[in-house]
Amino acid sequence: QSVLTQPPSVSAAPGQKVTVSCSGSSSNIGNNYVSWYQQLPGTAPKLLIYDNNKRPSGIPDRFSGSKSGTSATLGITGLQTGDEADYYCGTWDSSLSAPWVFGGGTKVTVL
Amino acid sequence: EVQLLESGGGLVQPGGSLRLSCAASGFTFSDNAMGWVRQAPGKGLDWVSTISGSGGSTYYADSVKGRFTISRDNSKNTLYLQMNSLRAEDTAVYYCAKLVIVAGKFDPWGQGTLVTVSS
Repeated sequence: QSVLTQPPSVSAAPGQKVTVSCSGSSSNIGNNYVSWYQQLPGTAPKLLIYDNNKRPSGIPDRFSGSKSGTSATLGITGLQTGDEADYYCGTWDSSLSAPWVFGGGTKVTVL
Repeated sequence: EVQLLESGGGLVQPGGSLRLSCAASGFTFSDNAMGWVRQAPGKGLDWVSTISGSGGSTYYADSVKGRFTISRDNSKNTLYLQMNSLRAEDTAVYYCAKLVIVAGKFDPWGQGTLVTVSS
């Protein structure tokens, strides 16, 4: 059971928009930055969003992040087949002996 | 270009030991905290351990505390994970990653090395 809660899967048609939610608590998301990672099949995770809503260089602006209270959201617009992957949220948790925590992951499927 | 390259994975019997290495290049290694994150087959990401840039501070998940030891050699730009008393549940791909501690940002990640604990 992950400290951060994500839906197991979301799906949409090409060109559409999807959102992935990440729910936590005041000890993690509520008081710390959230990052998002994309893991394409058979590859290592890659940083997609950091500091709640910033994109590293090279990440298209179709990807966005937001945070409100103890929840965070990843948005993907103009969905492409190449976006089909697992997406994980992650943050610092001040209450646990495991300070770095991840969500369980969400599989994004392009229909 | 920042690069991280893990090595040292393989098949080991329960109770055995293994040492993973992560060779870093393209950035000032000693200025950066580093971490290990693992992923069991078909499962999600699981933080394992973190070490500060100087090596003076280390952190471990409860599941590996007392069995795993993280270390680094800043003269060789290399991160290590010594894994002892291995269990079947330690079977996973182990990734090393550069970490911004306060932001909880892991970037970039290595390609991973597979550790299989089985008799």
